[in-house]
Amino acid sequence: EPEVTQTPSHQVTQMGQEVILRCVPISNHLYFYWYRQILGQKVEFLVSFYNNEISEKSEIFDDQFSVERPDGSNFTLKIRSTKLEDSAMYFCASSEQDGDQPQHFGDGTRLSIL
Amino acid sequence: GENVEQHPSTLSVQEGDSAVIKCTYSDSASNYFPWYKQELGKGPQLIIDIRSNVGEKKDQRIAVTLNKTAKHFSLHITETQPEDSAVYFCAAILNTGNQFYFGTGTSLTVIP
Repeated sequence: EPEVTQTPSHQVTQMGQEVILRCVPISNHLYFYWYRQILGQKVEFLVSFYNNEISEKSEIFDDQFSVERPDGSNFTLKIRSTKLEDSAMYFCASSEQDGDQPQHFGDGTRLSIL
Repeated sequence: GENVEQHPSTLSVQEGDSAVIKCTYSDSASNYFPWYKQELGKGPQLIIDIRSNVGEKKDQRIAVTLNKTAKHFSLHITETQPEDSAVYFCAAILNTGNQFYFGTGTSLTVIP
């Protein structure tokens, strides 16, 4: 069964550095998402992306964050000037259509900021 | 935005018994309600979903019910097995957007 893959599984970075989290969505999916889960808290929406544009973003997704689809298969989340509070599990998801459709999640990248 | 509450936070059942997890939502514009199972070290896996025009949906041992008037939906797992042990998340999406609003999760333990 097709699946969303994320790399790396664990990323350790010094505070203030930039990180790029990578995702390969399911190949025939058109809508892509990033969520994060701080330890012990809810899974929170960050951003959705369609047709090379951000279609929706949350208050969390400020100027520190950016997303890109650099080629036909990858979807990336860049976090600039990382802070301690950016430590979390970051999940990528994709779906065939938007709205009331299932989103399929990857296994996540655990980001640890030191 | 939407607010999804989930109960209980932990649940232990004997193998073979049923498990019920409940969620409430706040915005009547929500129209799609998926349930995800998350095993240790893995991402959330969709196990069942329901749309707002349906009151109940069943898939083998798993069922979901939706009460739009009361704004709550529930996951029912019958004949539980040890491999059902995991964290379960409910979610809701507004009919105007793409983001899922998740509950806080329920850690289910099935005791052999």
